[in-house]
Amino acid sequence: KAGVTQTPRYLIKTRGQQVTLSCSPISGHRSVSWYQQTPGQGLQFLFEYFSETQRNKGNFPGRFSGRQFSNSRSEMNVSTLELGDSALYLCASSLWGRGGEAFFGQGTRLTVV
Amino acid sequence: AQTVTQSQPEMSVQEAETVTLSCTYDTSESDYYLFWYKQPPSRQMILVIRQEAYKQQNATENRFSVNFQKAAKSFSLKISDSQLGDAAMYFCAYRSFEGTSGSRLTFGEGTQLTVNP
Repeated sequence: KAGVTQTPRYLIKTRGQQVTLSCSPISGHRSVSWYQQTPGQGLQFLFEYFSETQRNKGNFPGRFSGRQFSNSRSEMNVSTLELGDSALYLCASSLWGRGGEAFFGQGTRLTVV
Repeated sequence: AQTVTQSQPEMSVQEAETVTLSCTYDTSESDYYLFWYKQPPSRQMILVIRQEAYKQQNATENRFSVNFQKAAKSFSLKISDSQLGDAAMYFCAYRSFEGTSGSRLTFGEGTQLTVNP
């Protein structure tokens, strides 16, 4: 069974640009969550999608957005990139409902220069 | 809001010995899950063990076990017979289930574990 796949693995963008990251969940998992990991702030929750609807959102500015497709694949978008957006972005998939364990992808390392 | 605290930024252990990583959390909920995740240098987050709050019995997975003290809001991880491959950053995480509003993981700051040969 394939795991969670995130693409691309590495990205370098210039300040002011926008970026789109992709996440393909484990087959059968319909819940996808996104997390940002930085040395200063640690792991922070961005948002969660289930059934193509955003179900939960963390405390991030509106420049961070996402969506989910009918096949449960998810994308997150960051517009008007800032240097502070440099981070490892992790995607996790799970079954919906109590007890659904989160399985993580290998992450996308975004560097903003 | 829930918070998770790991007070040990770094720990070290000799190969084959036992080490305990500490975690405390704060919540007003009674129904939740607690997890320990391992993040090696590859950055892949790997689930080590999970505990359901309504279960009094401590979870065990091979060499990994937890000491869950619900009243004290404490959730420590014990690694027995430590192996070189156990070296990684370990994160304690809390998960509530918020019904139709979804769920989220709240992570601690992490403990960097070094295993010495």
